Amino acid sequence: QKEVEQNSGPLSVPEGAIASLNCTYSDRGSQSFFWYRQYSGKSPELIMSIYSNGDKEDGRFTAQLNKASQYVSLLIRDSQPSDSATYLCAVGGDDKIIFGKGTRLHILP
Amino acid sequence: EAGVTQSPTHLIKTRGQQVTLRCSPISGHTSVYWYQQALGLGLQFLLWYDEGEERNRGNFPPRFSGRQFPNYSSELNVNALELEDSALYLCASSFGQPQHFGDGTRLSIL
Repeated sequence: QKEVEQNSGPLSVPEGAIASLNCTYSDRGSQSFFWYRQYSGKSPELIMSIYSNGDKEDGRFTAQLNKASQYVSLLIRDSQPSDSATYLCAVGGDDKIIFGKGTRLHILP
Repeated sequence: EAGVTQSPTHLIKTRGQQVTLRCSPISGHTSVYWYQQALGLGLQFLLWYDEGEERNRGNFPPRFSGRQFPNYSSELNVNALELEDSALYLCASSFGQPQHFGDGTRLSIL
């Protein structure tokens, strides 16, 4: 059974600080990794994709991938109240993408 | 470029009725995925269609079914509706990966 694990939270972070979201996965053959943001009552929105080991930066977001440890993370710098949402980690292989249950992030003003 | 579109946006049904939800993928995308998200819960994978064929199915009863048309649009059908079917139904499309989601159909069962 392929699994993607995330801490459900809520993770509370002061405004302006760095939020760190973590995800582990079970399938060593996984090839693609995604982070989605989902506001309450809305659909998930793709914010980052990463395919190789290391860091990938896009604005205030940095995705980090460590395939040896089967670990992917998302860092949000200079956290804003608008970053308060549920963040879904998704891991893809040859056949399908598996979503984690998400981490609720709350940015404290 | 138009995103994934779903219709209707909201739907209210009673137990035992049948419902059809519709999804139009992003132009050029050949795969369509359906997910159920009950209030406060994670995404539950329902169905994956690619090139008109059902590629994978989640752990849902047979009363959940669907199809994909030659233009890659898709329908999700749910028969004999039950109260626990109340949820946000999300469609996503892709050409390979990643998936891009529509705004969803919120289904309420009375």
